[in-house]
Amino acid sequence: DARVTQTPRHKVTEMGQEVTMRCQPILGHNTVFWYRQTMMQGLELLAYFRNRAPLDDSGMPKDRFSAEMPDATLATLKIQPSEPRDSAVYFCASGTPPGQGYYEQYFGPGTRLTVT
Amino acid sequence: QKEVEQNSGPLSVPEGAIASLNCTYSDRGSQSFFWYRQYSGKSPELIMSIYSNGDKEDGRFTAQLNKASQYVSLLIRDSQPSDSATYLCAVIAGGTSYGKLTFGQGTILTVHP
Repeated sequence: DARVTQTPRHKVTEMGQEVTMRCQPILGHNTVFWYRQTMMQGLELLAYFRNRAPLDDSGMPKDRFSAEMPDATLATLKIQPSEPRDSAVYFCASGTPPGQGYYEQYFGPGTRLTVT
Repeated sequence: QKEVEQNSGPLSVPEGAIASLNCTYSDRGSQSFFWYRQYSGKSPELIMSIYSNGDKEDGRFTAQLNKASQYVSLLIRDSQPSDSATYLCAVIAGGTSYGKLTFGQGTILTVHP
């Protein structure tokens, strides 16, 4: 049963600390998306990758957020320094490769981040 | 105007009834449409995808697409309390590459016994 995995599932940290979230996409999927979800804003796209190359990170606060894909099995999202307003659930999703005539995205379980 | 709009609800239906969820989108060039279900505290789960005009059925779920009216809907037959969740409509806009989704705000569905 192929699934997107994310670690950690929960993270509580103090303002100013670095936070790193990790995602393992479904094997064979070549697009990876990072989302943030809050009650007020709903689901927001932060960044996405195709074949490990960043395509769009316009949804991220550039001064504190960074996203990378060191290899095809790992995507990371870092926040440095973290702020209380970053408290949210962060989801990673991976998508089916192009050329199959359709795209479908599957979400991981999410990382619930609380910054105090 | 939001790119993808849904009635936020809550929509309340009795058990066994048909629940009808609606979504409109602004980009006429949109090609791919999806419904996700999200239980409280969980991640969005893909339940239906539809790419051409008409109906697509999967078990108790039917997705309906009308590109001329820029409208997509989800019908849930024989609704069960376990269907109570937030339903998110998502669209891949025209000219968008690599499956970038635009989500609506979601409709909260409550099925009461």
